[in-house]
Amino acid sequence: GEEVAQTPKHLVRGEGQKAKLYCAPIKGHSYVFWYQQVLKNEFKFLISFQNENVFDETGMPKERFSAKCLPNSPCSLEIQATKLEDSAVYFCASSRRNVANQPQHFGDGTRLSIL
Amino acid sequence: SQQGEEDPQALSIQEGENATMNCSYKTSINNLQWYRQNSGRGLVHLILIRSNEREKHSGRLRVTLDTSKKSSSLLITASRAADTASYFCATDRVQGAQKLVFGQGTRLTINP
Repeated sequence: GEEVAQTPKHLVRGEGQKAKLYCAPIKGHSYVFWYQQVLKNEFKFLISFQNENVFDETGMPKERFSAKCLPNSPCSLEIQATKLEDSAVYFCASSRRNVANQPQHFGDGTRLSIL
Repeated sequence: SQQGEEDPQALSIQEGENATMNCSYKTSINNLQWYRQNSGRGLVHLILIRSNEREKHSGRLRVTLDTSKKSSSLLITASRAADTASYFCATDRVQGAQKLVFGQGTRLTINP
């Protein structure tokens, strides 16, 4: 598609439950990025993929967070045993190439609420 | 951790006036980009300026970059109510992964 599609728009989970978020990048884009936005400002980089391969995972919490980008499937971000502090909006972005001068195109995000 | 800082944190002006937002960063960069975020939406890419450029224009937008001061400014001329949004600068680093490091954003309100 022509836009990054993220589902669901809003996800509510009880503390300790699992949360799984999905992202379909723009067709033809090889790179996918996940960011976490807390309190409507700070964006924190989590992980990036080049096709189905992890490119940079320096922002991923060591525990509980995992992500995949499999062929012919939406990318996913999964949080095990959620905590209150995981409440945030999670954004996915894609770009055509992971080189300089290529803007990242963002989806509208998934708002994760942990109760 | 975020490396960028933006000021002001919030700006409220009358329609038709110009709005200027500033962004500072700490490390060397490859590019600096400005994004807009409307409430409840994702980021929309506005303009990208390379580290070897000093000024760039796009419609009513003017971006400057001063690498010696590690700062950038975004000027929106003849503001409109539809410009009401949060504006973020984002940098990517030389010789690093192309992840973006964002500033904390400026909340711009255009009053009719």
